[in-house]
Amino acid sequence: GAVVSQHPSWVICKSGTSVKIECRSLDFQATTMFWYRQFPKQSLMLMATSNEGSKATYEQGVEKDKFLINHASLTLSTLTVTSAHPEDSSFYICSADRGTGELFFGEGSRLTVL
Amino acid sequence: SQQGEEDPQALSIQEGENATMNCSYKTSINNLQWYRQNSGRGLVHLILIRSNEREKHSGRLRVTLDTSKKSSSLLITASRAADTASYFCATDETSYDKVIFGPGTSLSVIP
Repeated sequence: GAVVSQHPSWVICKSGTSVKIECRSLDFQATTMFWYRQFPKQSLMLMATSNEGSKATYEQGVEKDKFLINHASLTLSTLTVTSAHPEDSSFYICSADRGTGELFFGEGSRLTVL
Repeated sequence: SQQGEEDPQALSIQEGENATMNCSYKTSINNLQWYRQNSGRGLVHLILIRSNEREKHSGRLRVTLDTSKKSSSLLITASRAADTASYFCATDETSYDKVIFGPGTSLSVIP
């Protein structure tokens, strides 16, 4: 089956630093990847849609300068949380679409900002 | 904004019983999907049902879709303790190229 790898799984950082999370489709090419944020015991909130070779499309209320998304190749999208603050602490999950309509999810990255 | 709404929010059943979760949505969709998430983990795709389909089966899972009522249900038969997880429906909106998740149902299967 299709595999999506997300790295790191867990990161703890100091307030004010930037953190980069990678999302890779290991055995297929993904023209579109999605980034979600999930708070404890809540559903996934779509943050942005990342298309290879073009700018990401952000959902309303998501700061594009805060959450930088780069989809540099058909197998890699990155989310950078810039100048992270404690309120950015969350579980971030990516998913990749290989064109079948079914999404394949990474295992998620837990960000804790001190 | 969220598209799907699931009910119940939480469900607790005995092992061997059936579990039914419902999902409602607001706009036209291309397809509806159900996902499972174990605590603190990523999501696992369970089943996809297209807008022109009414029912789909996969093992112990049965999904129905009623586009006139904009609703779907997920039935897990003969539940097992290992089915304990959160279940989310997700809709692929016709107008926009994105997938939106409902709030989810937390299922607990008691051995």
